Amino acid sequence: TQLLEQSPQFLSIQEGENLTVYCNSSSVFSSLQWYRQEPGEGPVLLVTVVTGGEVKKLKRLTFQFGDARKDSSLHITAAQPGDTGLYLCAGEEGGGSEKLVFGKGTKLTVNP
Amino acid sequence: NAGVMQNPRHLVRRRGQEARLRCSPMKGHSHVYWYRQLPEEGLKFMVYLQKENIIDESGMPKERFSAEFPKEGPSILRIQQVVRGDSAAYFCASSPPSGRADTQYFGPGTRLTVL
Repeated sequence: TQLLEQSPQFLSIQEGENLTVYCNSSSVFSSLQWYRQEPGEGPVLLVTVVTGGEVKKLKRLTFQFGDARKDSSLHITAAQPGDTGLYLCAGEEGGGSEKLVFGKGTKLTVNP
Repeated sequence: NAGVMQNPRHLVRRRGQEARLRCSPMKGHSHVYWYRQLPEEGLKFMVYLQKENIIDESGMPKERFSAEFPKEGPSILRIQQVVRGDSAAYFCASSPPSGRADTQYFGPGTRLTVL
């Protein structure tokens, strides 16, 4: 089973700061997704990256897929309290498998 | 356009009882996935179903757990003779007929507490 390691596990910053969180694996994934989960709710899909080296932007969020499709990063510019939540990366194993492998997440707190 | 619906949102059971968790996929979606999230752990895949078929149950415990997705009605995750270690959040996701893993949309989850 492929594993995804997310870092840091916890991150607490002030409003307006920039931050980057990482998702790493020794395995190749055919695609990788980022989700945000708030307490008591299910994960909400933010973005899917498919091509090695791909960069996608969603307002103040920038997602990058590593060239070798083994890692990904999420960069948030000028963080706001509304960005607070658990950020999860998930990879599709490929090879005909439809299941997602999840990292344990980065718990982000943005203080006003 | 309703999203994935799960009920109940919270379920309390005593050890030895049965738990039934329901999932209604998004409209037009025919693929359902169940995941379990233990405290301080990531989501773990349990089972993948299409209408009337179990496609992949490699993440399901061998005993006490079963899942179905009948032709009519919601998908059901059934846990018999629950134990305290079954306490977790159970999430259902659905995807359109293409069945691509990267288009899974999650429901709000059922939080099971076993006393």
